Amino acid sequence: EVQLLESGGGLVQPGGSLRLSCAASGFTFSSYAMSWVRQTPGRGLEWVSSIGTGGTPHSADSVKGRFTISRDNSKDTLYLQMNSLRADDTAVYSCATRGGSKYFDSWGQGTLVTVSS
Amino acid sequence: QAVVTQESSFSVSPGGTVTLTCGLSSGSVSTSYYPSWYQQIPGQTPRTLIYSTNTRSSGVPDRFSGSILGNKAALTITGAQADDESDYYCALYMGSGISVFGGGTKLTVL
Repeated sequence: EVQLLESGGGLVQPGGSLRLSCAASGFTFSSYAMSWVRQTPGRGLEWVSSIGTGGTPHSADSVKGRFTISRDNSKDTLYLQMNSLRADDTAVYSCATRGGSKYFDSWGQGTLVTVSS
Repeated sequence: QAVVTQESSFSVSPGGTVTLTCGLSSGSVSTSYYPSWYQQIPGQTPRTLIYSTNTRSSGVPDRFSGSILGNKAALTITGAQADDESDYYCALYMGSGISVFGGGTKLTVL
């Protein structure tokens, strides 16, 4: 069974940084592209970043230059380094497997990031 | 990045059929965008329903179907049930690893 467990969320001040982790199990992590998706009550689901099996990253314009996605296949773990955080980055961040690299297949429960002074 | 459009809300009677759509603010949606659909009950993890336009994810009942209707992707629920009341999101693949979600449709079954 695919399991994705996010951690690292919390309260951070504007301009601050956080690193999210997503521990994967139940599948061959290195064989799957992975993504981060965030959700807020007002804005619904928003794709944040994806990383291919070879490590090529892609990010939404809203986070480009501030967020960096990475993966450690030896640890079956996906990361999201978030810098220069803003109030509108407040959301639940979930990791997801990418099916065929083109859709979101399995989802984690998410970790809450709150950016506030 | 592109704007993906969905109806903000929709209602259907129990046992009825409803079609939700997913469009682009400029241009037409085709199979080349690999439209996918997700169901999310508030407070729960999204559930993948449909991918690559019309392929049902494992365990999804066949009353959920996907298609292209005109210039939009569509999710049709046939024989709606009370527990279909949920938020539904579509996503389009723009290439180069980039995906864009629509704003979601709140479906009421009453």
